[in-house]
Amino acid sequence: EAQVTQNPRYLITVTGKKLTVTCSQNMNHEYMSWYRQDPGLGLRQIYYSMNVEVTDKGDVPEGYKVSRKEKRNFPLILESPSPNQTSLYFCASSKNRGSPYEQYFGPGTRLTVT
Amino acid sequence: SQQGEEDPQALSIQEGENATMNCSYKTSINNLQWYRQNSGRGLVHLILIRSNEREKHSGRLRVTLDTSKKSSSLLITASRAADTASYFCATVDVLEASGSRLTFGEGTQLTVNP
Repeated sequence: EAQVTQNPRYLITVTGKKLTVTCSQNMNHEYMSWYRQDPGLGLRQIYYSMNVEVTDKGDVPEGYKVSRKEKRNFPLILESPSPNQTSLYFCASSKNRGSPYEQYFGPGTRLTVT
Repeated sequence: SQQGEEDPQALSIQEGENATMNCSYKTSINNLQWYRQNSGRGLVHLILIRSNEREKHSGRLRVTLDTSKKSSSLLITASRAADTASYFCATVDVLEASGSRLTFGEGTQLTVNP
């Protein structure tokens, strides 16, 4: 089954404790992206990747890191989480051939930073 | 800043009625996409309309695009209780070289009462 998976689905952590949210897709998609969703603000893009070893900042990259060492995986790293990073996070992927395609979203990771 | 802005923010209708949601945007776009999100779940792509298209259909969905007014509408005909969800429009800016970055609005919460 074609899908995007994220782990963990729920996470409660404390300020400053490094964490990684994994994202994996099995559709051989070149493009992957991370969003955060907050009430009243909609979805905002954090980082995106056009292909392996190619990443770029989205609209709200501060406090986050990403890496794309393999095509299927695109982990989101919070080196020193803060309470304002409490949010619902989504990973997404799509084909990318210079033309925008539909994005496939993961189930989401609800992060709480206390 | 939010590119797509949905209107209304919330809509409550009876089963069998039609639901219309609107989306306005600010810049020139390559295409506009509509997504659906069930509570706490990932987004699911519904339909994509390109800037040179004016109307598109998919099952009970009808999307229109008016680039002169920078607006789009999503019509769901003969609504069902299972259509209850949040609906988001997302745009791809024509100036975005990669053509792969989506900018989401805040969504319309649709409730279909049985």
